[in-house]
Amino acid sequence: RKEVEQDPGPFNVPEGATVAFNCTYSNSASQSFFWYRQDCRKEPKLLMSVYSSGNEDGRFTAQLNRASQYISLLIRDSKLSDSATYLCAVSRSGGYNKLIFGAGTRLAVHP
Amino acid sequence: NAGVMQNPRHLVRRRGQEARLRCSPMKGHSHVYWYRQLPEEGLKFMVYLQKENIIDESGMPKERFSAEFPKEGPSILRIQQVVRGDSAAYFCASSRRGAGSPLHFGNGTRLTVT
Repeated sequence: RKEVEQDPGPFNVPEGATVAFNCTYSNSASQSFFWYRQDCRKEPKLLMSVYSSGNEDGRFTAQLNRASQYISLLIRDSKLSDSATYLCAVSRSGGYNKLIFGAGTRLAVHP
Repeated sequence: NAGVMQNPRHLVRRRGQEARLRCSPMKGHSHVYWYRQLPEEGLKFMVYLQKENIIDESGMPKERFSAEFPKEGPSILRIQQVVRGDSAAYFCASSRRGAGSPLHFGNGTRLTVT
């Protein structure tokens, strides 16, 4: 079983739709959680950190469920420019920040 | 404030040659991480370094691959005697400190082995 798993998609949604991605992790010692966005053949860019209490940044909401070991990302009012691959990343405790990435979920927003 | 700088952007090598990939972390960042991404696959951790020290190389192949982060200068990922299977995008990331800090990625080096 992979340490971090995501549904590869693709999720094809119309503009304005709300879409949600989940990501599960297997290591209960995981401490830090992030969502990254990666456009085709480019570097991953940090979208947001995920905090225990959940957090929101504009149209994006991230949540963490430690009991069930998953994190989620909700995108409201999807824009064409949201089309990308969304990667979740998890790190364990231990003093350094080795991130383990999921394989990514592809989102395609169409007019 | 410049981001993580990687060079070259594209590197073509023939089988058996050496590839050297360079990474300069963001200003103020002393933690460097190298990841590899094969076509249509996710990012795989290779190695984590702090200045002059390799902290974790658990994701690095035992042979032909090495990494360093000298006191002065960029971090270097070195691949000796490249094979076609080494063709991938290699991303470097840096962070200001250890646990809890997000990683900031460079724009990658795309290695093609012919």
